[in-house]
Amino acid sequence: QVQLVQSGAEVRKPGASVKVSCKTSGYAFTTYAVHWVRQAPGQRLEWMGWINAGTGTTRYSQKFQGRVTITRDTSATTAYMELSSLTSEDTAVYYCARWYNGDGSFDYWGQGSLVTVSS
Amino acid sequence: EIVMTQSPATLSVSPGERAILSCRASQSVSSNLVWYQQKPGQAPRLLIYGASTRATGIPARFSGSGSGTEFTLTISSLQSEDFAVYYCQQYNNWPPMYTFGQGTKLEIK
Repeated sequence: QVQLVQSGAEVRKPGASVKVSCKTSGYAFTTYAVHWVRQAPGQRLEWMGWINAGTGTTRYSQKFQGRVTITRDTSATTAYMELSSLTSEDTAVYYCARWYNGDGSFDYWGQGSLVTVSS
Repeated sequence: EIVMTQSPATLSVSPGERAILSCRASQSVSSNLVWYQQKPGQAPRLLIYGASTRATGIPARFSGSGSGTEFTLTISSLQSEDFAVYYCQQYNNWPPMYTFGQGTKLEIK
């Protein structure tokens, strides 16, 4: 079955960077895009960007452009999201999700990774 | 940027009754509208895509309708497991943009 399993919770100081991983299994990794979506406490879900797991092409939300980098390792069927110059406003749960073009939806999600930014 | 607005923010309904949740887009999104359910401490779960098509395994009591700027998620005969937060989401493939509503919390009355 399709699974996306994310790395664990992280604590960072303001100004630091964090890298979250998303290990996928149960499907052909290179035939789907993997997106990253975050949810700050009490806030709506917020799209950050995606990677075409086959080509490595990335697209980012303007809000995060310059601060976020999404990569993948096809041999490990894993996607990564690195966010730099962290502030307290980046404290959130970060999700990876598979985008299914056929339906136009995020059909499978990781369990989420809590990133806490605190001095 | 397309803004998605959901109403009401909180909806109190008794088990067995029907719930109607609304989602409005600031401009037309055609039928590029998706609904998710999220329970505390869990990732969102896909319910409806293409505004009205149930995802695999989703019970028939969930139905979606609408196009353009006005959308509705209806849950007939609420079950205890349906009490959760529901989000709508629109997408645009190019330029890529995926935006979510602020959510409707469906609570037990």
